[in-house]
Amino acid sequence: KQEVTQIPAALSVPEGENLVLNCSFTDSAIYNLQWFRQDPGKGLTSLLLIQSSQREQTSGRLNASLDKSSGRSTLYIAASQPGDSATYLCAARSMDSSYKLIFGSGTRLLVRP
Amino acid sequence: KAGVTQTPRYLIKTRGQQVTLSCSPISGHRSVSWYQQTPGQGLQFLFEYFSETQRNKGNFPGRFSGRQFSNSRSEMNVSTLELGDSALYLCASSLHTDGELFFGEGSRLTVL
Repeated sequence: KQEVTQIPAALSVPEGENLVLNCSFTDSAIYNLQWFRQDPGKGLTSLLLIQSSQREQTSGRLNASLDKSSGRSTLYIAASQPGDSATYLCAARSMDSSYKLIFGSGTRLLVRP
Repeated sequence: KAGVTQTPRYLIKTRGQQVTLSCSPISGHRSVSWYQQTPGQGLQFLFEYFSETQRNKGNFPGRFSGRQFSNSRSEMNVSTLELGDSALYLCASSLHTDGELFFGEGSRLTVL
């Protein structure tokens, strides 16, 4: 059974710092992995989608990597800004017939001005 | 183009009542999935529909049901509401069942 873990649960950094958020999954047989951000009381916003055949994806100041062999994905945020403060969730899509998307519990990020 | 639209955004019900939530996916998206989000349990998968057929179902009691219409719009229903059903219900759509997921703003249900 696929389990997705995100550590740390919360992170506080000063503005301008580069940071890395971690996502681990127990079953390497995934179809893809997606990163989202969620602002309080809102829905999820898709940030990056990495297919299982890819090693990384980039969008602006965000870079996500995927290492299936070690069961890890990282989200790198460059030059963090207060507007980046949100909860970041990763989700792995199973490669079995269900194609279920399994979510981590998220990392709550606070970027201090 | 318009995103995923969920209605209503907020609602308050009492125990024992039933509720229906609606989701309109992004135009052209045929897959719709539903999630329940609570502070204690996080995001939990409810069900997924593709072309009016339920493809997957999470571990929720039979009080939770859903359907998808021919225009890809989806509804979920919760009968005999319990206090523990208070949550943010999120709908997401994608082009295919394994594609990138796009979420709506959610329907926040409070059961008193």
